[in-house]
Amino acid sequence: GAVVSQHPSWVICKSGTSVKIECRSLDFQATTMFWYRQFPKQSLMLMATSNEGSKATYEQGVEKDKFLINHASLTLSTLTVTSAHPEDSSFYICSARTTVRPYEQYFGPGTRLTVT
Amino acid sequence: AQSVTQPDIHITVSEGASLELRCNYSYGATPYLFWYVQSPGQGLQLLLKYFSGDTLVQGIKGFEAEFKRSQSSFNLRKPSVHWSDAAEYFCAVGAEGYSTLTFGKGTMLLVSP
Repeated sequence: GAVVSQHPSWVICKSGTSVKIECRSLDFQATTMFWYRQFPKQSLMLMATSNEGSKATYEQGVEKDKFLINHASLTLSTLTVTSAHPEDSSFYICSARTTVRPYEQYFGPGTRLTVT
Repeated sequence: AQSVTQPDIHITVSEGASLELRCNYSYGATPYLFWYVQSPGQGLQLLLKYFSGDTLVQGIKGFEAEFKRSQSSFNLRKPSVHWSDAAEYFCAVGAEGYSTLTFGKGTMLLVSP
């Protein structure tokens, strides 16, 4: 089956620093990847849609300058949290959508970010 | 706007007993419906999905779900729960092509011995 990986699986960083999270589709190509944020005991909230070779589309209320998304290849999207603050601490999950019908969306294992 | 309601935050079921998790959706067009399971600290695993056709869909791990358009529901069922089924379950609705998925708030399933 299709596999999506995320790296790192968890990261602790200091307030004011930047952190990059990678999302890779290991055995399929994905022109579209999605980034979600999940607070403890809450649901997933879509942050942005990442399209290969073009700018990401951000959901309302998500700061594009704070959450930089780059989708430079058909198998890799990155999310960079810039100038991180403790309120950015969360569980970040990516997913990747296959490029052919029937479209399938596969989720990564998530990245736990803690900002101290 | 599309939305998903999972009215039960927690459900406790005895091992071996049957399970039904409720999901109601609001969607302007033909919905694509999904059930995902998430273990603590893990990503999401797709249990089953409904796009069209037979309204009773079978998924992995013995789960099934029934699409009822008249009730805007897509409830998840399992005839006999195992302790390993304890996890959080999310219902989601989307459009063809997975343009976006809207998730419910989730239902935490606890399995008692």
